[in-house]
Parts: sequence; C-alpha cells; structure tokens
Amino acid sequence: GQQVMQIPQYQHVQEGEDFTTYCNSSTTLSNIQWYKQRPGGHPVFLIQLVKSGEVKKQKRLTFQFGEAKKNSSLHITATQTTDVGTYFCKPKLSFGAGTTVTVRA
Amino acid sequence: EAQVTQNPRYLITVTGKKLTVTCSQNMNHEYMSWYRQDPGLGLRQIYYSMNVEVTDKGDVPEGYKVSRKEKRNFPLILESPSPNQTSLYFCASSPLIPRTGGSNQPQHFGDGTRLSIL
Repeated sequence: GQQVMQIPQYQHVQEGEDFTTYCNSSTTLSNIQWYKQRPGGHPVFLIQLVKSGEVKKQKRLTFQFGEAKKNSSLHITATQTTDVGTYFCKPKLSFGAGTTVTVRA
Repeated sequence: EAQVTQNPRYLITVTGKKLTVTCSQNMNHEYMSWYRQDPGLGLRQIYYSMNVEVTDKGDVPEGYKVSRKEKRNFPLILESPSPNQTSLYFCASSPLIPRTGGSNQPQHFGDGTRLSIL
C-alpha cells in the first residue's frame, strides 16, 4: 500500500500546550484523511484535505496539506484531556501508524 | 441509525479452529474493508471490496479470506487461525466514487473485534 510515516509515534503533552503531528509521504498524494481513535474506541473520521496547501480548522485543530501534496500536519492548540487518543493519517487505502497522544493535567 | 456492526466483539479460540467475523453495514456503501490493529503498527489493511463479488488483497492478506455476496455484508474468515493472528480487527465501509481507483470517502468503522488465538 501507499506508505506514509507519521511522527512522532508518541506525544505526551502538558494540558494547555500546543503540539503538531506530521504525516510524510515519499510520493505525491491525491488527498489525505485524518482520523482520531479514542482509547478503547474505533477510528472516527475528522477531515479530508484535497488541494495543495489546503488548511482547514476544526475548533482547536488545524489541518494542513503541503504545497507538494507529500505531507500533512495536524496542529492542536491548548491541548485538553479530550484530545487524548491516536491520530491517524490516511492516504487512499493505507493508514499511517498513528501518533498516540497523552495529556498530563 | 447508520452503522457498521461487527460480531463477535470478543473471541478467544484455539489454533486451527476455523472462525468467521461478520461485518454488516446499513448505509448501502459500495466499499468495505478489513483492518487489523497491532501496537506500534497502526491499522493495516487485510482485504477490501469495491462492490459485490469484487474483493482484493490489502497489505496483510495471508491467512485470511473474505467474501462479498451481498452489498451489506463482508465477513472475514480465518480458515486455520494461528497465534500471530491475535489482534484487534476493524471493519469499515464508505461510499465509492467511480473512477477514483479506491475509496476516497470517509470510512465508517465498526466497534472492533478482539481476537485471541491460543
């Protein structure tokens, strides 16, 4: 399948801080999706990016698609305990390995 | 309510005993897929189907079979389970946009099936 690398694999964040997780591909992507999986739950679709340089926001979450459409990022501002979970990027058929986020109060 | 239903949710069984995990969706989606999730490896695709009687291998198909006789159902079959198939399995479905070569639509996931093969 189409290979992407997600970094970091784990992110431990102080509540209130910001962080960014990245999804990098060696090939050009037609689009990319992001999913969130809460502990014990199933992946839930967050957003899809299609255009080069596209930026979309969902409250404290900002998603970006790179100009070359080879990478994407998810930035979370003012992290809350509700942000705990694993965030996956997905180009077409395959998922990235995910970034697992934990939050310390 | 739109949903993807997997059964069973949990199963402990022994090596070599054939088992089937069922998956059913009520959204009339063309595309269905099976994934396994293992620590540190994320979600890896086992098999997918773009429509009735159309199935294809994903990244880790060895040891698994699937069928798609009806649009709503996509069972995962382990003919002779082995301990390395102990994992958390998810079924997912989505609409399929023609001529895109795959599913570019958001996927809806079932609640997962945790399999333990002893």
